[in-house]
Amino acid sequence: DVVMTQTPLSSSVTLGQPASISCRSSQDLVHSDGSTYLSWLQQRPGQPPRLLIYKISDRFSGVPDRFSGSGAGRDFTLKISRVEAEDVGVYYCVQTTQFPHTFGQGTKLEIK
Amino acid sequence: QVQLVESGGGVVQPGRSLRLSCAASGFPFSSHGMHWVRQAPGKGLEWVAVIWYDGSNKYYADSVKGRFTISRDNSKNILYLQMNSLRAEDMAVYYCSRWGDNKKMDVWGQGTTVTVSS
Repeated sequence: DVVMTQTPLSSSVTLGQPASISCRSSQDLVHSDGSTYLSWLQQRPGQPPRLLIYKISDRFSGVPDRFSGSGAGRDFTLKISRVEAEDVGVYYCVQTTQFPHTFGQGTKLEIK
Repeated sequence: QVQLVESGGGVVQPGRSLRLSCAASGFPFSSHGMHWVRQAPGKGLEWVAVIWYDGSNKYYADSVKGRFTISRDNSKNILYLQMNSLRAEDMAVYYCSRWGDNKKMDVWGQGTTVTVSS
């Protein structure tokens, strides 16, 4: 199974400042079709997960453009350009290239 | 609007069974594969199972293989998860999620809670 490792596991950020979360996979996530299926999810307190980014860098419908994804192969990054209060929650990377799909441990984002 | 609503959670004794349902609306259910994902109390997300749009293929996490069965009724727009031989470690909030294009999990339900306790 692919192991997804996120760093940091928690982050405290001042409002309006940037935030960055890294995700590393134990195997290359390039699918046989040539695409890399790495997504980022946000889970606000008491809420279900919500898709932010898919295929490394494609922003899902309705997601603010302060969220961006990047990376290739085994190393990926989620960046928030200017953190807002509503961004508090836990962020997960997940690979959907192969089964079983696997999630990172989650990164808890809080406001300093 | 596009919506997934889980139901069927509750308190169950170890070793017993439970069936979860996920009612879909607002999109062509029979055109999409579907996932179950769970989250133990205070823990992260764990993928549980997937079923193809037509039910032709299914995959399971090793932790549930042989005990859980994913199925669907496309005439009723309902996804199911039959959970047998439940264990304490199966206690979690169970979410259903739509398998969208580009293999993304693009729609999530609110979840249903399963408590395994004697």
